[in-house]
Amino acid sequence: AQTVTQSQPEMSVQEAETVTLSCTYDTSENNYYLFWYKQPPSRQMILVIRQEAYKQQNATENRFSVNFQKAAKSFSLKISDSQLGDTAMYFCAFIEETSGSRLTFGEGTQLTVNP
Amino acid sequence: KAGVTQTPRYLIKTRGQQVTLSCSPISGHRSVSWYQQTPGQGLQFLFEYFSETQRNKGNFPGRFSGRQFSNSRSEMNVSTLELGDSALYLCASSAGQPGGSLHFGNGTRLTVT
Repeated sequence: AQTVTQSQPEMSVQEAETVTLSCTYDTSENNYYLFWYKQPPSRQMILVIRQEAYKQQNATENRFSVNFQKAAKSFSLKISDSQLGDTAMYFCAFIEETSGSRLTFGEGTQLTVNP
Repeated sequence: KAGVTQTPRYLIKTRGQQVTLSCSPISGHRSVSWYQQTPGQGLQFLFEYFSETQRNKGNFPGRFSGRQFSNSRSEMNVSTLELGDSALYLCASSAGQPGGSLHFGNGTRLTVT
């Protein structure tokens, strides 16, 4: 069965610092897609970044970047220059290519950015 | 482009009743999927509809059902409500291609008393 594990339930970082959130996953499929979503107190799930498993190059979106290690089944998120607005629950998730829109989520990491 | 719209935002129901939640996807998106979020179980996939057909289904009892209309709007129904059905229900839409990004609505908070 496919699973996603986020081993850090809570993390905190000072404003302007860099923080890395960890994620490991398990799948027997070769073709899949990985995501990081953030969920602020407003409850809306917001896409942060997307990675295609067949691409070796790590995805980046402005201050957000990933370290994708396919052999290790690891997919960590790095947030640079942390801002107060980054405070949220962060979820790692993946979709297998044959699973339509069936996202499997991790348990989440609550990130707090302190002024 | 308007985002994913879920109505209502909040619902309070009594055990044994039934409830219908609505989701309007982003214009042009043909896939709508539903997720249940609870503190204990986290985020769990309920089902996905694509072009009015159920394409995927999670491990939920038959009390949970859904449908999709020709305009891609979707409804989710829960019958014979139980206390454990109290949750945030999230709807997401996508274009429907493999690995496509899902765009979520603000969710419906259901409380069963």
